[in-house]
Amino acid sequence: ETGVTQTPRHLVMGMTNKKSLKCEQHLGHNAMYWYKQSAKKPLELMFVYNFKEQTENNSVPSRFSPECPNSSHLFLHLHTLQPEDSALYLCASSQGGTSGRETQYFGPGTRLLVL
Amino acid sequence: SQQGEEDPQALSIQEGENATMNCSYKTSINNLQWYRQNSGRGLVHLILIRSNEREKHSGRLRVTLDTSKKSSSLLITASRAADTASYFCATDAYDKVIFGPGTSLSVIP
Repeated sequence: ETGVTQTPRHLVMGMTNKKSLKCEQHLGHNAMYWYKQSAKKPLELMFVYNFKEQTENNSVPSRFSPECPNSSHLFLHLHTLQPEDSALYLCASSQGGTSGRETQYFGPGTRLLVL
Repeated sequence: SQQGEEDPQALSIQEGENATMNCSYKTSINNLQWYRQNSGRGLVHLILIRSNEREKHSGRLRVTLDTSKKSSSLLITASRAADTASYFCATDAYDKVIFGPGTSLSVIP
């Protein structure tokens, strides 16, 4: 257990569905991250939140919409996804602040399949 | 090539042998980290080495960093079947942390 939980662990959705991924960290961290991991590709950073403010958005399509209501919770809202969005979505947290990217603690991931 | 790139892509060894993985990068870094990922799970942080350090140990893990060659190596000694996983290096290049594509390690009992 890394102190970062993700729900659901598995999700199957159609292209017209709307769903949300949830991440919660119990480590007192101030930075949270969403990553996408596809087969045979490096980990892709999607979004970064630092003290609830979005500090990075790496050209992610608008069908992915993040939400960070507080430092402990991070959501990824999904709508009208494409089959190529099928992947393992990983949430991570770190201490945050100017030097707080150092060690990231990852959740177990949500395996998403878009039909 | 990418900022952090591991070599080899895949490695298969017998239990008890040592496993060495390498990571090369392109820009100056603040630190470099190694992570492990078991199949379909999240990444687990193994070790962090700062740019002013040359070698670091943690249990059966030994990490070296050569900033002149922009490379790092991860050595796992006396490997076990439970070490079977993917290993990633992550370079902190001051403005962002970038993960490499990983080395897939199989340890055969």
